[in-house]
Amino acid sequence: ETGVTQTPRHLVMGMTNKKSLKCEQHLGHNAMYWYKQSAKKPLELMFVYNFKEQTENNSVPSRFSPECPNSSHLFLHLHTLQPEDSALYLCASSQGGGYYGYTFGSGTRLTVV
Amino acid sequence: KQEVTQIPAALSVPEGENLVLNCSFTDSAIYNLQWFRQDPGKGLTSLLLIQSSQREQTSGRLNASLDKSSGRSTLYIAASQPGDSATYLCAVLPSGANSKLTFGKGITLSVRP
Repeated sequence: ETGVTQTPRHLVMGMTNKKSLKCEQHLGHNAMYWYKQSAKKPLELMFVYNFKEQTENNSVPSRFSPECPNSSHLFLHLHTLQPEDSALYLCASSQGGGYYGYTFGSGTRLTVV
Repeated sequence: KQEVTQIPAALSVPEGENLVLNCSFTDSAIYNLQWFRQDPGKGLTSLLLIQSSQREQTSGRLNASLDKSSGRSTLYIAASQPGDSATYLCAVLPSGANSKLTFGKGITLSVRP
């Protein structure tokens, strides 16, 4: 499989649940990103990892906890979310800081009930 | 701070029309500019990547141009089809260490049969 793969595609969770989003890239890229896209809003960068080290956290609430065990895998652990956290969560990867472009996954549509 | 603007927010055209989508950015110090397509509820698909040293890129019916000095890029779609209906996002990668992709809000295109 090639490109950036995100699972699950859709997720419905209660506010007290704990769930995880998974992202995997098969492109040999060294950087991975989590973005949030809410309805009628532009993309918001959440986290950046370079060579599996977190290099940026854009003031994201602690109920979102990222994990990057290696350069090919990225997780977003979710717990005690709020309904306003419902959004499309997109994973992306790049090589060399993005000079050769970013590749995005298909996203996980998250609904918090 | 780099800002990316895409106007208008929405566009509706009849099938077969050639059309131009505009993107403007405030700081000409960029590594590259990338055009993406997003279908409703889906991830971003990269259409064209233009490096700062390039003037244009072409893929099939799509042609993207870049004029760094004026802070503008255009995406030209030839002979539009209903299948081209989607949101088109423009993003620039500013120059400098640890820079991150800066997105416009997108143009939602509807091609009427």
